[in-house]
Amino acid sequence: KAGVTQTPRYLIKTRGQQVTLSCSPISGHRSVSWYQQTPGQGLQFLFEYFSETQRNKGNFPGRFSGRQFSNSRSEMNVSTLELGDSALYLCASSFDGTGGTGELFFGEGSRLTVL
Amino acid sequence: GEDVEQSLFLSVREGDSSVINCTYTDSSSTYLYWYKQEPGAGLQLLTYIFSNMDMKQDQRLTVLLNKKDKHLSLRIADTQTGDSAIYFCAEKEDSSYKLIFGSGTRLLVRP
Repeated sequence: KAGVTQTPRYLIKTRGQQVTLSCSPISGHRSVSWYQQTPGQGLQFLFEYFSETQRNKGNFPGRFSGRQFSNSRSEMNVSTLELGDSALYLCASSFDGTGGTGELFFGEGSRLTVL
Repeated sequence: GEDVEQSLFLSVREGDSSVINCTYTDSSSTYLYWYKQEPGAGLQLLTYIFSNMDMKQDQRLTVLLNKKDKHLSLRIADTQTGDSAIYFCAEKEDSSYKLIFGSGTRLLVRP
C-alpha cells in the first residue's frame, strides 16, 4: 500500500510569491491534515479536511488556505509569502480522523524556503 | 489551554534503556501518541495509548500513562543506534480532529 505522497519535496520562493503544495493520502483514507514544522514553533496544526469539507482550522492567517478534492487528494496554498513561512509542511492522512483512534500517517513533507 | 511538554535531549549508550517523558495539560485527552522523526523524514507513528489504560507494551516499546499527573513516558528497551531520532508525544481530544504535539526529544544513542 503506497504511503502519503507530498509534492514537491523542496522548493524555494521569494517574498510576496504564492505557493501550492500537494498531498495524496493513503488509498482509502478520507481525512487529510496539514501541519507546519519550524525549529522555533515546532509542529503546528494548519487544517483538516474530510470528504472535501474543512472540519478544523488552526491559528494561522488567512494567507494559508487549503482544499480537498473528491478523490481525497489535498492541496494547501500560501499567498504573499513571508520569510517566516519557511518551514517543513507535513501532510497526514487517516481513515476518518474523528473520534476514532486518530492515528495519523505522515508524508515526508514539503520543505519551503522563502528568500 | 492545550500544551504538551517534553525534555529536549536525551543521550544513552547502545544496549541501555531509554525513557522519554512528556507532560500534557488537557484532561479531556482521550488518545496519546508517540511519533518518531528521522532526519529529512516525516513522522512515523510508533504507538498510542487510550486514556483509560495505564500501560501498553509493543515489542521493545513500553508506554506508561499516569493520568492523575498527566504524565506519559516511552521506554525503549535495548536501545540501538538506529533509534537515534526525535521523538514527539501528542495528545488528541475525543471530539477534535487535530493533534497537539510536544516540542520533541532528541535521542542520541552512543555506540
